[in-house]
Order: sequence, then C-alpha cells, then structure tokens
Amino acid sequence: EAQVTQNPRYLITVTGKKLTVTCSQNMNHEYMSWYRQDPGLGLRQIYYSMNVEVTDKGDVPEGYKVSRKEKRNFPLILESPSPNQTSLYFCASKGGGQNYGYTFGSGTRLTVV
Amino acid sequence: QKEVEQNSGPLSVPEGAIASLNCTYSDRGSQSFFWYRQYSGKSPELIMSIYSNGDKEDGRFTAQLNKASQYVSLLIRDSQPSDSATYLCAVNLISNFGNEKLTFGTGTRLTIIP
Repeated sequence: EAQVTQNPRYLITVTGKKLTVTCSQNMNHEYMSWYRQDPGLGLRQIYYSMNVEVTDKGDVPEGYKVSRKEKRNFPLILESPSPNQTSLYFCASKGGGQNYGYTFGSGTRLTVV
Repeated sequence: QKEVEQNSGPLSVPEGAIASLNCTYSDRGSQSFFWYRQYSGKSPELIMSIYSNGDKEDGRFTAQLNKASQYVSLLIRDSQPSDSATYLCAVNLISNFGNEKLTFGTGTRLTIIP
C-alpha cells in the first residue's frame, strides 16, 4: 500500500530533551515536507526537500532540523524542544511536477512540558 | 494580507444541497491549486487539483479557478453527512530556482445537516 509513515503517533516530552520524529514513504517521491498544524493558524511548512541531500526552509523552521540522506526517509529533529513546539506534525510526500499534490502521513501529536 | 484566505465557517448545508467553499490567494504567480479534506483528528486528504482557468469536475466535486480574480472554489453537489469535515485550500508557487512551496489556508469547517 502506498503510504507515508510517521512515528511516533503521540509523544510527550520535557523541555530541552532532543527528539526525532521519523517519516518514511514507499512511493519513490522526490518531494517531502514537514508541516505543523495549530488551531487558528492552519498548516504551516517547516522544511521541505526536493530530493536527496536537498532541503530548504519553509515558513517556520526555527527550532527544527531535517536531513534527507535517503530518498524514502525525511526525519524531523528537535534539538531542544520548547513548549511552543507543542503541535500536530504532518509529514508529506509527492512526485515531481507542480501538478501533483502531497500525500500526508497520519500525524504526530507532540506535547512539550 | 494572508497568502491563502478561506472563510473559517462553520458552514452549514442541508443534506442533498450544494456546498460552496471559497478561497482567495495573494500571489499572482501561483500555478496549481488543491483542495484537501480533513476529518477531525485525521490527516489531510487530497480531493481535487486544478491548474487551468475554468471548471474541473470529479464525481460530486467541482473545482473552479479564476486566475484573474485570484479565486478558487470547490462545489460539492448532493451533500452527504460524510462530507462534514474541514476543507483546506492549498496553493503551489514555483520559485525561480525550481522550488515548490505549497501554502495552505486555515480551512473552512463544513457541516452537512441531515
């Protein structure tokens, strides 16, 4: 089944404790992206990647890191999480070409206390 | 001005009627447009895409694009209770470097009343 897989689905952590949210897709997609979703603010792009070793900042990259060492994987790293990073996070992927939309993972609900 | 604007709703429509969802965008260089449906607690699901001015139909859904007015809409005919969800408009912009940036509106919450 074609899908984007994120883990974990739920995570509660403490301020300052480094964490990684994994994302993997099995569709051989070039583009991958991370979004966060907050009430009243909608989906905001954190980082995106056009291909292996090619990443760029989205609208809200502060406090996050990403890497794209393999085409299928695009982990999101929070080096020192803070409470304002409490949010619902989505990983998404799509094929090349402007006319393709993103396929989203199931989401990771992160709470930083 | 927000890059992509939607009326947050809630929009209530009787079952069987036509639901009309609207979206405006600010960047005239935007090149492709998408509608996503998101049920509560779930991830967004792509339901329609449109790139050219005019209408595009897929089953009960029709997307409409007017680039001159910077306006995109989604019509849902014969609305069903299962259509109750938040609908997200997304706009794709290609930069001079070939980067694609997909920007979302905050969504319109639609409720279909049986």
